[in-house]
Amino acid sequence: SQQGEEDPQALSIQEGENATMNCSYKTSINNLQWYRQNSGRGLVHLILIRSNEREKHSGRLRVTLDTSKKSSSLLITASRAADTASYFCATDATGANSKLTFGKGITLSVRP
Amino acid sequence: SQTIHQWPATLVQPVGSPLSLECTVEGTSNPNLYWYRQAAGRGLQLLFYSVGIGQISSEVPQNLSASRPQDRQFILSSKKLLLSDSGFYLCAWTDPLAGGETQYFGPGTRLLVL
Repeated sequence: SQQGEEDPQALSIQEGENATMNCSYKTSINNLQWYRQNSGRGLVHLILIRSNEREKHSGRLRVTLDTSKKSSSLLITASRAADTASYFCATDATGANSKLTFGKGITLSVRP
Repeated sequence: SQTIHQWPATLVQPVGSPLSLECTVEGTSNPNLYWYRQAAGRGLQLLFYSVGIGQISSEVPQNLSASRPQDRQFILSSKKLLLSDSGFYLCAWTDPLAGGETQYFGPGTRLLVL
């Protein structure tokens, strides 16, 4: 079943702008992760935020988590053309064996 | 450093033919291993996961099966492919000794069933 639902489905921005992507989920989680996928490639882990954390940073990435609203957002600041990819949120509800449930993904296009 | 390999990269198979996709991990021991399928423009669906040799858990009923004959080898198989088996198959691993939370993905196998 689909746990994470990303919003919007597609986003097109100009290089240098910020990109904000949202994810909502349905059940309690241990952690929420964001992954990136370039076209035709495997996924790459970007950042993990635990259920007891509210915000986390990694380079140009900022992730927030609101467990009361069951939602998360991924902000990419000062976007670059190389950020063009699909972005997925994934939730770990069990805490055992890292069984992740992925959303359908957001397609981000950064225009040079 | 750890690496994960999948082969073949691309496969075109007729309906009813058998399937064998292979995934191997190097540079780690006792990984948890996962098989996902990604339909075009969709998210990932977990098919199987394994916490050790010979230990396979199936997440969805289907005509696919998985095996783990060696610690770092994970195989996805089918006796008779269906059209609906077409998709992008991804293998991933986690290190349970490091918390086992982050998944590391292989490059994927694109399967087209005709």
